[in-house]
Amino acid sequence: GAVVSQHPSRVICKSGTSVKIECRSLDFQATTMFWYRQFPKKSLMLMATSNEGSKATYEQGVEKDKFLINHASLTLSTLTVTSAHPEDSSFYICSARDWRTNYGYTFGSGTRLTVV
Amino acid sequence: SQQGEEDPQALSIQEGENATMNCSYKTSINNLQWYRQNSGRGLVHLILIRSNEREKHSGRLRVTLDTSKKSSSLLITASRAADTASYFCATSQSTGANSKLTFGKGITLSVRP
Repeated sequence: GAVVSQHPSRVICKSGTSVKIECRSLDFQATTMFWYRQFPKKSLMLMATSNEGSKATYEQGVEKDKFLINHASLTLSTLTVTSAHPEDSSFYICSARDWRTNYGYTFGSGTRLTVV
Repeated sequence: SQQGEEDPQALSIQEGENATMNCSYKTSINNLQWYRQNSGRGLVHLILIRSNEREKHSGRLRVTLDTSKKSSSLLITASRAADTASYFCATSQSTGANSKLTFGKGITLSVRP
C-alpha cells in the first residue's frame, strides 16, 4: 500500500531557530500533499495544501512566512517552521493522496516539535 | 468551524464488546472517511463511504451514512485491546486533487482486556 514517510519523528529546538520537516511519498507520486497541526487530545487542523511546482495554499490564520512549504518534486514536500517559538510546539502531520487507492489519504507518522 | 463532531468523546468497553462511534457533520459532502490514530502517531485510513452509499463493511468494521441526518456511525465488532486508539471521522466535499479533509474532534476508545 501507499506509504508516506515523515522525518524527523521528534525534534527539540531552541527559540529563534528554524526546523525543517520532510514528508516523502515512497511508492507513489503525490502532486498534492497536506500539512496538519494537532494539539494534545485535539483534532487535526489543516494548515496548508502543498502543490508540486507551485505555491502552497494556506488556510486562514496560518502565517505563510512562519510556516514555509516547499514541494519541489512529486515525492517530497517540506515544512519549515521559521524563528520557532514555544507556542509552535505541536504535533505536525503530513498526508498525501494516492490516486490508486480510491480517494483514501495516507498519513505520515507525524513530527513532535518542542521549542525550548 | 468543526465539520465533523463525534460522540461520545470517550468510550471505554470490555474486550469482546462492540464499540459504536457516531459522527455528525454540517455541510454537504462527497464522502466521509474514518481514521484511527494511536497515541503520538500518524493516522491510518480505515474506511471510506461515499455520499450515495448507506452502509459499508470491512472486516470487523461497519460504517453507515445517513445524508438526510448528516451523520455517520462506525461500529467495531468483537473489540480487542489492540483497538484502543483515537478515532476520527473526516469529510471531503469533492474528489479533486486538492480536495481537503475536515476532521472531527475524535473519540478516544479504550478496550479493557
